[in-house]
Amino acid sequence: NAGVTQTPKFQVLKTGQSMTLQCAQDMNHNSMYWYRQDPGMGLRLIYYSASEGTTDKGEVPNGYNVSRLNKREFSLRLESAAPSQTSVYFCASSEPGRTEAFFGQGTRLTVV
Amino acid sequence: DAKTTQPTSMDCAEGRAANLPCNHSTISGNEYVYWYRQIHSQGPQYIIHGLKNNETNEMASLIITEDRKSSTLILPHATLRDTAVYYCIVRPVSGGSYIPTFGRGTSLIVHP
Repeated sequence: NAGVTQTPKFQVLKTGQSMTLQCAQDMNHNSMYWYRQDPGMGLRLIYYSASEGTTDKGEVPNGYNVSRLNKREFSLRLESAAPSQTSVYFCASSEPGRTEAFFGQGTRLTVV
Repeated sequence: DAKTTQPTSMDCAEGRAANLPCNHSTISGNEYVYWYRQIHSQGPQYIIHGLKNNETNEMASLIITEDRKSSTLILPHATLRDTAVYYCIVRPVSGGSYIPTFGRGTSLIVHP
């Protein structure tokens, strides 16, 4: 049982380049989330999707877009990467009303 | 959602019990206490949760005070692999559109 899978695990971008971070979960969860984590900081919510077909902004949405492609997949896109977006990105999923959130292993993104 | 307060860091000797406190003085009657941990470079991992009663599983024990304003996560025999950041969060009993929110947590260092 894979849980939450993120790709890629590592990425280096040049300023201005675009890329999409992929996330897929196999637990049939309705809710999915994208967080970023900077050194010494907690996780900050970028965007979330409460259910298939819906997305909402979190605490730090600027510079990002998301797509809830289907119930399994929730992607995060950087249209024009900036050095300030250098971070570790985590995807998570959960089932409303149920227990815990499950996290992927993270994508380490460096923008130079 | 209620806010939680945790010490920034703690340390513990290997083989001894690690007791990690959390203050959640504004918790309401319909909110659980959840604990997660994040081992370096990995995604957060669920440990345990509770509402009123003390809880124990294969990973840890959770002691919740009678007034529910604070709790303690206990790792009974800490190992070096328990070195991680531990997050205490509260979440509503009924999920709805709940979004997991993480603060900076407690950095636990287990030393030989």
